[in-house]
Amino acid sequence: ILNVEQSPQSLHVQEGDSTNFTCSFPSSNFYALHWYRWETAKSPEALFVMTLNGDEKKKGRISATLNTKEGYSYLYIKGSQPEDSATYLCAFGVWDSSYKLIFGSGTRLLVRP
Amino acid sequence: GAVVSQHPSRVICKSGTSVKIECRSLDFQATTMFWYRQFPKQSLMLMATSNEGSKATYEQGVEKDKFLINHASLTLSTLTVTSAHPEDSSFYICSARPGTSGSVNEQFFGPGTRLTVL
Repeated sequence: ILNVEQSPQSLHVQEGDSTNFTCSFPSSNFYALHWYRWETAKSPEALFVMTLNGDEKKKGRISATLNTKEGYSYLYIKGSQPEDSATYLCAFGVWDSSYKLIFGSGTRLLVRP
Repeated sequence: GAVVSQHPSRVICKSGTSVKIECRSLDFQATTMFWYRQFPKQSLMLMATSNEGSKATYEQGVEKDKFLINHASLTLSTLTVTSAHPEDSSFYICSARPGTSGSVNEQFFGPGTRLTVL
C-alpha cells in the first residue's frame, strides 16, 4: 500500500511569518508529485506538478522543492498572509491502469492577522 | 481556467434511499473523471476512475453495485450512492482530467458534496 504523509497536520502562524511543510512519499517508481491548495468550501486548486529530482518551482510567495531519491517535497510560503489560510495537499502520481493520485491528509494552515 | 462543478453541494437523505451526485467539466472535455471520498481527518481516497463511454474502474474495497458511476458524455459523470446507509455519510469530490488518459495532465476538482444519511 502506497503511503503519502504530510507534516505537520496543522500550523498556526502570524501574518508575515514564513513557513514550510513536508510531504513524504515512496522513493521507488517515482513519476510525479502534485501540490494543491484547498480553501474551505472551494475546489482544490493545483499549485505545482513536480517531476524531476532537484526541481524547484515557484508561484508568487509559494515555492516547492523535490527530492525523489529520499522521497520528500517541501512547500514554502514566504511572508504568510491571512489569504494563504487553507489546507495544502500533496499527491503522489502512480501509473496503474491509468494515471492516479494518492493523496496525503494535508497540512491545515491558519495565518493570523 | 478549467472549472469543474459538482451538484448538489450538500444532501441529507434517509437510510435506504439513493442519491445521485453530478460532476461537470464546464469549459473543457474530460475523457477521464475521478471520484474520491474523504472521511473526517483523513486523505482524499480514490474510489473509482470514470472513462467516457466505458465502464468505470473501481479501487479495491469499493463496491461497484453500491456506487454506480456513469460517464455518458465528455463533460458529465454521475455517482449514485444506492440504498445509502449512515456509514456512507462522507464528503464526495470529483475531478476531471482533460486530454488523453495516457498523459499526465492536471486534475481539476469540483467543490465536493457533503452527504449525510440519517
